[in-house]
Amino acid sequence: GAVVSQHPSWVICKSGTSVKIECRSLDFQATTMFWYRQFPKQSLMLMATSNEGSKATYEQGVEKDKFLINHASLTLSTLTVTSAHPEDSSFYICSASRGPSYEQYFGPGTRLTVT
Amino acid sequence: DAKTTQPPSMDCAEGRAANLPCNHSTISGNEYVYWYRQIHSQGPQYIIHGLKNNETNEMASLIITEDRKSSTLILPHATLRDTAVYYCIAHNPNRDDKIIFGKGTRLHILP
Repeated sequence: GAVVSQHPSWVICKSGTSVKIECRSLDFQATTMFWYRQFPKQSLMLMATSNEGSKATYEQGVEKDKFLINHASLTLSTLTVTSAHPEDSSFYICSASRGPSYEQYFGPGTRLTVT
Repeated sequence: DAKTTQPPSMDCAEGRAANLPCNHSTISGNEYVYWYRQIHSQGPQYIIHGLKNNETNEMASLIITEDRKSSTLILPHATLRDTAVYYCIAHNPNRDDKIIFGKGTRLHILP
């Protein structure tokens, strides 16, 4: 149990376009989902915390208008990278949790390349 | 969450036990020690966690010192598939859900 999926697994887009990444908890209801970004040879960096039915909480330095997060249901959160630029190219990873004191389960990641 | 310190890299021969150390000298009483690993180009995988007592599961063992200032993750019989970056995290799951990753230890299993 406790499987988290992401779609797509990789995407290439042109500079200036927007890209949407989905994160789904397949066999449990996730009250909280998290979005991370990872650049090559670096650790995961938390971008934002997403609670179902409420606005996401962004970490310092992460532009909320550029990285739109929607957690519309207990099994789905989406991250939209708006007006993507080459520097947004990265590995985006989500995780999901049933709530406080529960484990976090990570998705397989989405590799975004902006040309 | 308390800061953790891990060696940047380690080597281990295939079939031998891999012992990965972690220092967390500022850990608070209600913070658990969590271990995750990340195989190249994949999402992190949960390994084990503990508060005070040593823990063992099908993947690994976790040894926490009595003062809780350090811990060791043990992979009893390392295989090539255990090559990954291992992250040690001190985290209170009841206070704040978010997990902050440090730099981890890059473990190379040598054939």
